Amino acid sequence: DQQVKQNSPSLSVQEGRISILNCDYTNSMFDYFLWYKKYPAEGPTFLISISSIKDKNEDGRFTVFLNKSAKHLSLHIVPSQPGDSAVYFCAAGGSGTYKYIFGTGTRLKVLA
Amino acid sequence: DAGITQSPRHKVTETGTPVTLRCHQTENHRYMYWYRQDPGHGLRLIHYSYGVKDTDKGEVSDGYSVSRSKTEDFLLTLESATSSQTSVYFCAISDSRTSRSYNEQFFGPGTRLTVL
Repeated sequence: DQQVKQNSPSLSVQEGRISILNCDYTNSMFDYFLWYKKYPAEGPTFLISISSIKDKNEDGRFTVFLNKSAKHLSLHIVPSQPGDSAVYFCAAGGSGTYKYIFGTGTRLKVLA
Repeated sequence: DAGITQSPRHKVTETGTPVTLRCHQTENHRYMYWYRQDPGHGLRLIHYSYGVKDTDKGEVSDGYSVSRSKTEDFLLTLESATSSQTSVYFCAISDSRTSRSYNEQFFGPGTRLTVL
């Protein structure tokens, strides 16, 4: 049973436009959500996070939105750049735990 | 970048042979994790450690064992490798000594393991 789902395996966006990556979760005990970016042949790198007490967190071109009632979060990248082309993973964890459950990833391709 | 190295980076082995992967950190972080990444499955936790000699199972621990005798090293052992264990393995670390109430994990570069 997949507790964290990324239903879009891939996404293509034109350079300069907005990229929206989605993530759904089933466990209402999850309190913290992270996004990671992964380039080929490298380990994932931390991008941005959000806790359940917030509904939005921004860091430069990256914004994460959390809708707790819908158990849904999304990552917005504006404007998208070719260097953003990577696989993006969302991850969810509960308070007091140091374990996260990862989604299956979405491959983003930003077209120049 | 967090100081995490994994060795070997690539390995090809045969079914039934034992394999040990090593994760080494220079950050003195308390928590260490082993994940495997497979198409369609994302990153799945195999085992993790919350201190020296303290380990616990993740969601896909069958066929794997771990050991942590020093803070800096976390070993993953496949006692008798099978073709289903062909995967990319990532080590990660995190620490509780931060001001945040959550702790992001920092990942190593990965080990590509092929079991023939």
